[in-house]
Amino acid sequence: AAGVIQSPRHLIKEKRETATLKCYPIPRHDTVYWYQQGPGQDPQFLISFYEKMQSDKGSIPDRFSAQQFSDYHSELNMSSLELGDSALYFCASSLAQQLGSPLHFGNGTRLTVT
Amino acid sequence: AQKVTQAQTEISVVEKEDVTLDCVYETRDTTYYLFWYKQPPSGELVFLIRRNSFDEQNEISGRYSWNFQKSTSSFNFTITASQVVDSAVYFCALSEAGSGGYQKVTFGTGTKLQVIP
Repeated sequence: AAGVIQSPRHLIKEKRETATLKCYPIPRHDTVYWYQQGPGQDPQFLISFYEKMQSDKGSIPDRFSAQQFSDYHSELNMSSLELGDSALYFCASSLAQQLGSPLHFGNGTRLTVT
Repeated sequence: AQKVTQAQTEISVVEKEDVTLDCVYETRDTTYYLFWYKQPPSGELVFLIRRNSFDEQNEISGRYSWNFQKSTSSFNFTITASQVVDSAVYFCALSEAGSGGYQKVTFGTGTKLQVIP
């Protein structure tokens, strides 16, 4: 079965550079979530989209922005990167935004900022 | 305040032992869901189970079982006859209505389980 696809798998950037992470949800899933997981930490919710509109916002820095496109894929844009942005970034998708819809995660993008 | 608490940071057991991972949650909502996810060393997050707030029936799936007790706001996960492949970080998560009424999923801090052969 098709899963959530994230690209790239690994990304190395320098401080103050920009990065773009991509997420392709499971076919027919209309909801996308972005999470950030620091080393040894739990996944922290950044932002979510439902039917191409932002549905909720968590602890996403102002330097980051995201959107969901007409084909439901999503991109997380990160600017003015800081060392503290080094983390595993997960995208998850679900069928509908309703309570209890299980989130299906991609393999994550490991971002290293040097 | 932490909405989902997993008090056990790390647990080590010997293969074939049973192990229970604790999860305590906090919410004011009457309708909510609870999830368990597994994160093996390879890093991906794997969905294991979902339970809604109105269903307190325990569930068993192979060597896995879950005990949901609303009275104590707990949703514990037991692995029977543990195996080395069970070694992973396990996350409990709470699904509530976020701003705008959409689903918001909050994860606990995770329990790292190491099964020793």
